Amino acid sequence: DTAVSQTPKYLVTQMGNDKSIKCEQNLGHDTMYWYKQDSKKFLKIMFSYNNKELIINETVPNRFSPKSPDKAHLNLHINSLELGDSAVYFCASRQQGANTIYFGEGSWLTVV
Amino acid sequence: QKEVEQNSGPLSVPEGAIASLNCTYSDRGSQSFFWYRQYSGKSPELIMSIYSNGDKEDGRFTAQLNKASQYVSLLIRDSQPSDSATYLCAVQNTGNQFYFGTGTSLTVIP
Repeated sequence: DTAVSQTPKYLVTQMGNDKSIKCEQNLGHDTMYWYKQDSKKFLKIMFSYNNKELIINETVPNRFSPKSPDKAHLNLHINSLELGDSAVYFCASRQQGANTIYFGEGSWLTVV
Repeated sequence: QKEVEQNSGPLSVPEGAIASLNCTYSDRGSQSFFWYRQYSGKSPELIMSIYSNGDKEDGRFTAQLNKASQYVSLLIRDSQPSDSATYLCAVQNTGNQFYFGTGTSLTVIP
C-alpha cells in the first residue's frame, strides 16, 4: 500500500482552467503538507495542515485553496491556472513530534 | 534570503571518490537537519538526519553539523553511479516547519 498517494500523477491543462489534486495518507499522521517543486528543483512549502487546521500559508496566491475534509486527506484546488503554475506538486505527511516527512509520488502539472 | 541555501551544482565526481555537499540555513534556532535524496522523476526520500554538532555516520554517508556557522554538510564516500541524484538539504526551524534547499545535482561518473 502506498503511504501517501496523490492523484492525478500527470495533468495537462489550459490557462484559465480550474483543477484539483487529491492527496490521501494512510499512516495515521496528523500533519500534512503541499510543496511545489519548480524546474530548478526548489521544493517550496505552500501549505501545512495539522489536524485539519491550516498552520501555514507561505505567500501562496489565493487562487490556490487547500481543503482538508479529515486528517487523512489534503486536497489542493487551483483556480484560473497560469503558465507559472506548471511544476511538480508534492503532498507529504508527518506525525507531530516526529521528524520524518513522507512524500507522495508527485503530481506533474503542465499549463499550456 | 531563503531559509536554506545550497550550491545547485552540478557536481560530478568519479566512481569511488568522496562527494561533498554543503548547505547553510538562516534560522539560528533551528534544531533538526536532514538530507533527502531525489532521483529524477521521483519523490524525495530521507537518507540522513542530524540534531547535534559534529559528525553522524551511516554506512557510506556522513552528515556534519556546525550550528555556530549554521552549516550542514553531507559526505558520500566511495561514490557509486547509483548515488547520482539531487540531494536536498532540509531544516526544521523554530516554527516547527520544514524548509528545503534548492538541491545539489550529483553525477557519479563510472
